[in-house]
Order: sequence, then C-alpha cells, then structure tokens
Amino acid sequence: QSALTQPPSASGSPGQSVTISCTGTSSDVGGYNYVAWYQQHPGKAPKLIIYEVNKRPSGVPDRFSGSKSGNTASLTVSGLQAEDEADYYCSSFAGSNAYVFGTGTKVTIL
Amino acid sequence: QVQLQESGPGLVKPSQTLSLTCTVSGGSISSGGYYWSWIRQHPGKGLEWIGYIYYSGSTYYNPSLKSRLTISVDTSKNQFSLKLSSVTAADTAVYYCATNGGEGFDYWGQGTLVTVSS
Repeated sequence: QSALTQPPSASGSPGQSVTISCTGTSSDVGGYNYVAWYQQHPGKAPKLIIYEVNKRPSGVPDRFSGSKSGNTASLTVSGLQAEDEADYYCSSFAGSNAYVFGTGTKVTIL
Repeated sequence: QVQLQESGPGLVKPSQTLSLTCTVSGGSISSGGYYWSWIRQHPGKGLEWIGYIYYSGSTYYNPSLKSRLTISVDTSKNQFSLKLSSVTAADTAVYYCATNGGEGFDYWGQGTLVTVSS
C-alpha cells in the first residue's frame, strides 16, 4: 500500500487556476471512484473539499473541482485566492477496507 | 455537527504502548453509518491512514501497522480508542481521529502530537 504520488509544489497568481495531480494504481485510484481531496492550513486539521472524485461537500466553493482519468486524479482550484494557499492531499479507497493518502502538494499564491 | 476531540499522553517512551482516545460529541457512535478513524501525520510530512472501527466493533487496519495496532470502541462513553504497541521514534506524529461516512474523512479532531522519546 504505497502513498499516492502528488507533485511537491504548485503555484499560481490570484485569479489564476492551478491543477494538482494524484497518481496511483489500478488497485486504488483507477479501481474506485472514491477519491477525495483535503485542504490543510498550517497547524490545522485537514478539511474535506472533494469526495467521490468530483463532489463538493456543502460550503465548499465551486472554485474547487475534481476529476479522474485512469489511475490519475486531479484537483483544480480556479480563481485562486490568498486563502487557498495551503497543503492539499488526495486519498483513495484501496480495497479491502483500506485507504491511502497522497504525498501532499503545497500550493503557493504568487 | 459531529465534533471529535483526541486525548492522551503527549510523550511515550520507546517500546511502550501509545494510547489515545477520541471523544465524539454532536452525534452517536452507535447510530451507525460512520467508520471511526485514526490518521497520523509525521512532522512536516504527509497523512497516513492508521485504521478505523465500526460501532459494531469491526476493525480495519493499515497492513503496515496491523501487528502493533488495536482500535476499540466504547459506545457507552461515545468514545473510540487507539493503542499502538512497541513504539519507536518513527511513531512520533500528530494523531487525528476522524469520521468516514463513505464520502471521505469528513469530520476531524484538532489532532494531538505524540512524541516517542526516552
């Protein structure tokens, strides 16, 4: 059960968009539509922002969107705002009632 | 809204057992529909799923920790607990409890730092 692979960092200017990838295998990301994304600000607990690949919990702005193709899932943050600067983690169901998280991506607003 | 709060020692000696409890408020563990989870984050690192328990007592563990791990539930106290035995410095981390209703880990505790050191 290896961690899902994310780029260590991503950046964008206010108003721009940034897309973060999350690469797994056919045993996790590619095998199930149970990919979720979390936003974590320094010193805070993670917050669920996307579940089941592309669904947003109540209260999460529609600037956040998710997708999946094969073994890779993606999170896009559109119209970047200062408060979007945070760490982002993906997770996936990995079968046998197990979950795996991504390595994390630090998003910087330029 | 469900709220979770971790509690337990912040310092554990190597080879001993790390024990944490998560107290749930705003919802009942016994009501079903949620898996009560533990997740940890090593300092400056990513998240690691530890395992979870259903109110019935069914448990599911990360294979890499399974031999040292016990997760239990006390529905009368609306709490669930984590015990990790034979700890080393590699178990130093912020430990979070969280809920998973099948849509991802949606409610989280604030996290508690556990340091393994003599």
